[in-house]
Amino acid sequence: GENVEQHPSTLSVQEGDSAVIKCTYSDSASNYFPWYKQELGKRPQLIIDIRSNVGEKKDQRIAVTLNKTAKHFSLHITETQPEDSAVYFCAAVDAGKSTFGDGTTLTVKP
Amino acid sequence: DSGVTQTPKHLITATGQRVTLRCSPRSGDLSVYWYQQSLDQGLQFLIQYYNGEERAKGNILERFSAQQFPDLHSELNLSSLELGDSALYFCASSEGTGGDREKLFFGSGTQLSVL
Repeated sequence: GENVEQHPSTLSVQEGDSAVIKCTYSDSASNYFPWYKQELGKRPQLIIDIRSNVGEKKDQRIAVTLNKTAKHFSLHITETQPEDSAVYFCAAVDAGKSTFGDGTTLTVKP
Repeated sequence: DSGVTQTPKHLITATGQRVTLRCSPRSGDLSVYWYQQSLDQGLQFLIQYYNGEERAKGNILERFSAQQFPDLHSELNLSSLELGDSALYFCASSEGTGGDREKLFFGSGTQLSVL
C-alpha cells in the first residue's frame, strides 16, 4: 500500500519568513495530493491541493509543487503570520484512499 | 462549517463498554471515511464507505465495525473498549469519484474518553 513520509515533524519560523514542508510517497498510482491544516482543537481543513498532471499550484501565500518522477511534493508558505501556526498534513490519494503523512507542527513566532 | 455532522461531540465511558459514533456526510457526498487521532498523533485511517459499500480498510481493530446506511449516514461501532481507544474520532466525506473529487471535508470529531 501507499506510504507517505513527511518532514520536518516540527518547524519554527519567525513571522515574515518562509516555511517549507516536504512529503514523499511510494505508490506511483497516487494521482491527487491535498494539504490539510489543523488548528489546535479543530478539524483538519483543506488548504491547497494538486493533481498529478500539474507541477505547481499557487494560492496567495501558499504554493504546492509536485515532482512525479521523484515522488515528492512540497508545501511552501511565504510571509508567514502567527495565524499560520498549526499542524499541517500532506496526503497522497489513490483510488479514493487518502494516506496521510504524520504531520508537521508549524510555529510562527511574532 | 464543513457540512459534515458528527455526534456526539464528547463521549465518556468505561472499559469493556460499547459505543456508537454517528456521521452525516455533506449533501451530495457519497464517500464517508473514519479516522482516529490520538493525542499528538497523526490521522490513522480506519475505514471508508462509498455509496453503502465498504471501499477501503485501514488499521481498524476487529473490535471496531462500521457501516453506511441507504441515506448515506455512517456509524462507527467500538466495542470491548480499552483505555487505549481514547482518542478523537473524525468522520470525513467526499464526492468519492476520483481525482480532486476525493478532497476530504471533516466533521468536528467525537472525543472519546475511556475510563
